[in-house]
Amino acid sequence: GNSVTQMEGPVTLSEEAFLTINCTYTATGYPSLFWYVQYPGEGLQLLLKATKADDKGSNKGFEATYRKETTSFHLEKGSVQVSDSAVYFCALSRGGSTLGRLYFGRGTQLTVWP
Amino acid sequence: GAVVSQHPSWVICKSGTSVKIECRSLDFQATTMFWYRQFPKQSLMLMATSNEGSKATYEQGVEKDKFLINHASLTLSTLTVTSAHPEDSSFYICSARGTSGRGGYEQYFGPGTRLTVT
Repeated sequence: GNSVTQMEGPVTLSEEAFLTINCTYTATGYPSLFWYVQYPGEGLQLLLKATKADDKGSNKGFEATYRKETTSFHLEKGSVQVSDSAVYFCALSRGGSTLGRLYFGRGTQLTVWP
Repeated sequence: GAVVSQHPSWVICKSGTSVKIECRSLDFQATTMFWYRQFPKQSLMLMATSNEGSKATYEQGVEKDKFLINHASLTLSTLTVTSAHPEDSSFYICSARGTSGRGGYEQYFGPGTRLTVT
């Protein structure tokens, strides 16, 4: 079946620290992979995505590379800011886009201290 | 990006009563809306997929008679929790997928509704 495993939080970092949130997946075929972010009191927002192997998604300083050989899509940012504090969800979708249903990881709470 | 709203943002009700949650796409038309349930520190669980003008498709294990979904227009879907019980207390999140243009084909998420059944 399809599933996403995400590192458990919470993750607490100081401003300007390096961030990695691990995400691995199980899926048949060639899923699309996503990272969503949920700021306090708001809905989920698409942060970045990758639709095929070796693609790198990037946005707002965050990056993730679709690694088919390790079935991973780890989220990284070189220098986090206090405003990055949020919950981050890794997700996959069959069918090449979010046309199909999304399978989510459990979410990782990130807190960045000044 | 496109905006999806949910109402109410939180609700407390007594056991045995019914609660309706609205999901609206504010600036685009959504042919498909999804309803999710999220337990504390757990993933979002898809409950059902609703397409405008047709019956919702429920995921396995979700009681369709308990969680009534109506998608009567291209901008509104409702989830009614009937005869609510404390175990129905949860965070309910909807998402809407556009057709093209303003909404595109991405899924846009509402801010969620916190339901507490006493």
